[in-house]
Amino acid sequence: DTEVTQTPKHLVMGMTNKKSLKCEQHMGHRAMYWYKQKAKKPPELMFVYSYEKLSINESVPSRFSPECPNSSLLNLHLHALQPEDSALYLCASSQAGQANTEAFFGQGTRLTVV
Amino acid sequence: AQSVSQHNHHVILSEAASLELGCNYSYGGTVNLFWYVQYPGQHLQLLLKYFSGDPLVKGIKGFEAEFIKSKFSFNLRKPSVQWSDTAEYFCAVKPNTGFQKLVFGTGTRLLVSP
Repeated sequence: DTEVTQTPKHLVMGMTNKKSLKCEQHMGHRAMYWYKQKAKKPPELMFVYSYEKLSINESVPSRFSPECPNSSLLNLHLHALQPEDSALYLCASSQAGQANTEAFFGQGTRLTVV
Repeated sequence: AQSVSQHNHHVILSEAASLELGCNYSYGGTVNLFWYVQYPGQHLQLLLKYFSGDPLVKGIKGFEAEFIKSKFSFNLRKPSVQWSDTAEYFCAVKPNTGFQKLVFGTGTRLLVSP
């Protein structure tokens, strides 16, 4: 079982909706990540939080808004998405400040924008 | 910025056959190397990792990988595959310095026929 929990597992939303994806880990990791994975493609990094501060934003459109309210939680707020934003959204966590550490991934939220 | 290439996009093997998946990366500095596996409908799991030391690393489920610095390669091997190894395999690289982003290769889809 993964130690990174994502909710919901599936989400269908209209282009005018506002929704949020949630991610939680209790491994004491202080780095958390959002990745986007389209079908048959590798995960692509969207955002990195380190010690609850946004450290990397990979030029993601503003309709995606991340939030890290505490060291265990990571949210991704969605607003006015497009159908091409449909994908599997993966959350991951790792120890912060170290490159030689593995990332642990959640099972993802499969998002469909209609 | 680093990049990762996996030359085999689809591999079909019979059970008991040997497996080797290629991974090459492009980055001028010291890197940390990973192989992740994604079984159908499951989350990304770490197979093995290389940070430093012995370039031949062993992972879970009988997998191993060899880091060849001169070739910028980190190929994954398994002497005898099983049907349960059917999955997508991703090589990933994270540099030791600068923005420590974990970047994935394009993935190799392995199908093992019983």
